[in-house]
Amino acid sequence: EVQIVESGGGLVQPGGSLRLSCVASGFTFRSHWMSWVRQAPGKGLEWVANINQDDSEKYYVDSVKGRFTISRDNAKNSLYLQMDSLRVEDTAVYHCARELDGRIYDYWGQGVLVTVSS
Amino acid sequence: QSALTQPASVSGSPGQSITISCTGSLSDVGGYRFVSWYQHHPGKVPKLMIYDVTNRPSGISNRFSGSKSGNTASLTISGLQAEDEADYYCSSYSSGSTLVVFGGGTKLTVL
Repeated sequence: EVQIVESGGGLVQPGGSLRLSCVASGFTFRSHWMSWVRQAPGKGLEWVANINQDDSEKYYVDSVKGRFTISRDNAKNSLYLQMDSLRVEDTAVYHCARELDGRIYDYWGQGVLVTVSS
Repeated sequence: QSALTQPASVSGSPGQSITISCTGSLSDVGGYRFVSWYQHHPGKVPKLMIYDVTNRPSGISNRFSGSKSGNTASLTISGLQAEDEADYYCSSYSSGSTLVVFGGGTKLTVL
């Protein structure tokens, strides 16, 4: 059974940093692209970033470029999102998801809440 | 504002059929057959229901079907059941700077 579990969320002040983690099981993690997708309160889903199997390709939505860094550790079946210079508008539930063919998210985690507020 | 436009809410009675629309542009929905639909019960894990416009993942009921015409994709749920009550999101591959764009979500209420 595929399981994806996120951790690391919490309350942080504007300008602060937070590192999200996601541990996956039930599939060959190192064989798949992975993504972070977020949902702000009362809003729809928004793709944030993705990373290829060997960490050599990474892409970001324009609003987080230069502030967020996606990475992975295949030995630990883990995905990370380092979030720096956080803004109020980054407040959201962040989901880790397995990505297929650059456009399909077939397995998701439950998500972790990040609140940016003073 | 989301890149893809969905109705905020739809409703139907058990046994009926409903359709949720998802309107984009030639840069996303209209230009590719790469539309997916997700079901999300708040607090639970989002679930892939349809991918590449019409395909159902293994284990998804054939009550769920997808289609596309021009810049608008649609999700149809037939034989509505109480457990179908959830939020539904569409997504599409995009040729813009954002690789995948989502809709704002549609809340389905089963009356």
